[in-house]
Amino acid sequence: AQTVTQSQPEMSVQEAETVTLSCTYDTSENNYYLFWYKQPPSRQMILVIRQEAYKQQNATENRFSVNFQKAAKSFSLKISDSQLGDTAMYFCAFIATGANSKLTFGKGITLSVRP
Amino acid sequence: KAGVTQTPRYLIKTRGQQVTLSCSPISGHRSVSWYQQTPGQGLQFLFEYFSETQRNKGNFPGRFSGRQFSNSRSEMNVSTLELGDSALYLCASSRDSYSGNTIYFGEGSWLTVV
Repeated sequence: AQTVTQSQPEMSVQEAETVTLSCTYDTSENNYYLFWYKQPPSRQMILVIRQEAYKQQNATENRFSVNFQKAAKSFSLKISDSQLGDTAMYFCAFIATGANSKLTFGKGITLSVRP
Repeated sequence: KAGVTQTPRYLIKTRGQQVTLSCSPISGHRSVSWYQQTPGQGLQFLFEYFSETQRNKGNFPGRFSGRQFSNSRSEMNVSTLELGDSALYLCASSRDSYSGNTIYFGEGSWLTVV
């Protein structure tokens, strides 16, 4: 079974600054994908970034980038130039490929961006 | 391109009743999965359908069921509602979740059981 751990329940960052959200996972699978989803107060789950485990290069999407450390089973999200609209709950999620695959989520972290 | 559409968005039911939630996936997506989100348990996987077949099921009682139609639209049903079923139910679609394709979520259906 896979587990995803987000140990920080809450974080706060000043607008325009950089913040890093931590995530670790545990799996015996070799082929898998990792995601960060954002859930604003509207509760819509929005994909932020996706990382293929077989790729060594860290994924980036505009102000969002990840630090993927496969050996350490770590997958952190860095948000640069934080904006007020980044205020949301952020979930780290894991899915293995193949039969019986399903998204396993961490408990989430509430990020507040201060003006 | 339209996103994942869930209906209804909000509903209130009485304990003991049953409820049906609907989900229309993104065009071309054949995989539809359902998740329950509560403050206490977080996000939990209910089940996943692909080409009208249930491929995977989470650890929920038999009161929770679902189906998928030939156009990939999916419904989930909860019978004999309990207070603990109050939750946000999220539907997600992808081309094929087993292949690592990106999974997109709908806005959710808020169910309150009173």
